[in-house]
Amino acid sequence: QAGLTQPPSVSKDLRQTATLTCTGNNDNVGNQGAAWLQQHQGHPPKLLSYRNNYRPSGISEKFSASWSGNTASLTITGLQPEDEADYYCTAWDSSLSAWVFGGGTKLTVL
Amino acid sequence: QVQLVESGGGVVQPGRSLRLSCAASGFLFYSYASHWVRQAPGKGLEWVAIISTDGGKRHYADSVQGRFTISRDDSKNTLYLQMNRLRAEDTAVYYCVREDWDYWGLGTLVTVSS
Repeated sequence: QAGLTQPPSVSKDLRQTATLTCTGNNDNVGNQGAAWLQQHQGHPPKLLSYRNNYRPSGISEKFSASWSGNTASLTITGLQPEDEADYYCTAWDSSLSAWVFGGGTKLTVL
Repeated sequence: QVQLVESGGGVVQPGRSLRLSCAASGFLFYSYASHWVRQAPGKGLEWVAIISTDGGKRHYADSVQGRFTISRDDSKNTLYLQMNRLRAEDTAVYYCVREDWDYWGLGTLVTVSS
């Protein structure tokens, strides 16, 4: 099953803004957008955003998601050391009848 | 509070079977679909399967189709993953996840090795 495309790594300076992308097709991201997950080393993933930028309680407003065409984006403002993590996107693929994940983006805060 | 606790992982030889369980608490388990997601050592997340609220709909990743079976027992608030004909590439931490990705268990490690 083809997955979603994410850049393997992104590096940004402290207090800067990072925008992570997730590219799919009309059957997945283009259909319903994507969910975004954050995973710190050794921990299970944590939901950041789902269903048109729904943000679970307790998730900072510094995380915001958007979606245009076949590309979903996660913007993280005011980068802090604790934002260093792996970020994954996932979407339902109506053609495959399966959920697909991106390969993940490792965010480094310099 | 919502909790998902996986169990049943371990070391198993190729070709053998293993059943994972996920005990849910703190929410109305029967009202939510559930996923299994796995993560091989040092690798990214891979979706494995999903089961609907009534168990009537089940979908699988191509990599496990025909070998793995997802099921649920709402009377026990428990999700299962029956894994047959295991392969070395099935080695991973297996996570139980609530429908909307908002709650994850800590995972259980499955190692397939001779």
